[in-house]
Amino acid sequence: AQSVAQPEDQVNVAEGNPLTVKCTYSVSGNPYLFWYVQYPNRGLQFLLKYITGDNLVKGSYGFEAEFNKSQTSFHLKKPSALVSDSALYFCAVRDGDRGSTLGRLYFGRGTQLTVWP
Amino acid sequence: GAGVSQSPRYKVAKRGQDVALRCDPISGHVSLFWYQQALGQGPEFLTYFQNEAQLDKSGLPSDRFFAERPEGSVSTLKIQRTQQEDSAVYLCASRVGGLGEQYFGPGTRLTVT
Repeated sequence: AQSVAQPEDQVNVAEGNPLTVKCTYSVSGNPYLFWYVQYPNRGLQFLLKYITGDNLVKGSYGFEAEFNKSQTSFHLKKPSALVSDSALYFCAVRDGDRGSTLGRLYFGRGTQLTVWP
Repeated sequence: GAGVSQSPRYKVAKRGQDVALRCDPISGHVSLFWYQQALGQGPEFLTYFQNEAQLDKSGLPSDRFFAERPEGSVSTLKIQRTQQEDSAVYLCASRVGGLGEQYFGPGTRLTVT
C-alpha cells in the first residue's frame, strides 16, 4: 500500500535559519514524490517534484528536497527561512509503476511551518 | 494565466440535501482529479477522469457521491442526501500529462448542518 508520513505536526524556526520538513514514504513501485504548500483558504500550490535523475531537486521560492531511496525519505529544505514561508506543507507520493492507479496522489497529514522574525 | 477554478467556494447544506460542486480545470489539461480534505488531514483521493472517461472512482466513500465530466473539461461532483461526515473541503486538480504535477483549485468548503 502507498502511504506518506510527516512525523512532525509543527516545525518552528527563526528567520534566516535553515529549515527542514521531514517526509518518509512507502510505495510498491518507483516513487514519484511531490511537495505542496497550502496557505489559509487557498488550494495547494506545487513546490517541486522528484520523478527520476538527480536526487537533489530544486523548486520554487528557494526550496529544495533530497530523495533518499535507502531511507525512503524526501525531506524539504531551505537554507534560509523567511517569515513568508509560514504555511502548511504537504508531501505526496505516486506509484510510478502502477498504471492502474493512474496518478492518484497519496498525501501526508501536513506539517505546519512557522517562521518567526 | 488562469488556474483551476471551483465554485462555490463555500456551501452550507442541511443534512439530507443534495449538493453539486463545480470544477473548471486548466484549459488543455486532460487529467482531472477530485480530493476530499477533512479538517487537519491531508487530501484523500476520490476520483479521476481522463478526458470524459472516469477511469478510477475507487475513492468515492459511498454511492451518494457521483462525479461527471461529460465534455472532457468542466467536472461536477454531486453528493446526494448529504450527511454531517461529508463536511470537508473538496479539492479539484488537473494535470496536463502523465508525469506532470497536479495543479489544485482553491477548493469548496462544504458544511453540512
